[in-house]
Amino acid sequence: DTGVSQDPRHKITKRGQNVTFRCDPISEHNRLYWYRQTLGQGPEFLTYFQNEAQLEKSRLLSDRFSAERPKGSFSTLEIQRTEQGDSAMYLCASSLLGQKETQYFGPGTRLLVL
Amino acid sequence: EDKVVQSPLSLVVHEGDTVTLNCSYEVTNFRSLLWYKQEKKAPTFLFMLTSSGIEKKSGRLSSILDKKELFSILNITATQTGDSAVYLCAVDVTGANNLFFGTGTRLTVIP
Repeated sequence: DTGVSQDPRHKITKRGQNVTFRCDPISEHNRLYWYRQTLGQGPEFLTYFQNEAQLEKSRLLSDRFSAERPKGSFSTLEIQRTEQGDSAMYLCASSLLGQKETQYFGPGTRLLVL
Repeated sequence: EDKVVQSPLSLVVHEGDTVTLNCSYEVTNFRSLLWYKQEKKAPTFLFMLTSSGIEKKSGRLSSILDKKELFSILNITATQTGDSAVYLCAVDVTGANNLFFGTGTRLTVIP
């Protein structure tokens, strides 16, 4: 399968713990996006990378959130000191440069903070 | 602030019915509108619309864009239980790095 993959698919954690999610985009895609989707809502943009450079972060991305894409391939999203309000589906998407309208989404990581 | 609004929020129909889902938008520098289908996981791409009045069709699904009135509709004819999903509308704007999504319409097709 050469689509976007995410790991883990599900994560349950206790409030205050740190969690890290991984996204592997389609290999030739330069752009990688992270979105958060809560129940009953559409995906909300968090951040995006062009190759290894993080070029934009939304105001939803508090200082407890950090994302990296160290070699311009896979990306990680870390949430420190998780809160119950962080419970959501975290979606990763990728696209070719100049084709942000054609984003391919991964299956998401569903996070539950108890 | 850019806004994408979908209606209805949810819809329950019987197999064989025809449904129309709506998406209206208020954005600056509109570039295109996209429809996605989301079952239990990743949104999957259905259509991209850039020009008014040109219908895009794929099997029982079709969609059209009205750039003057700032809306799009997604039609599904002869619905099947496999059409049950959340249908997301998203807008791409020039100058933004992401897509702006609506809240989605949850469609449930009962046998």
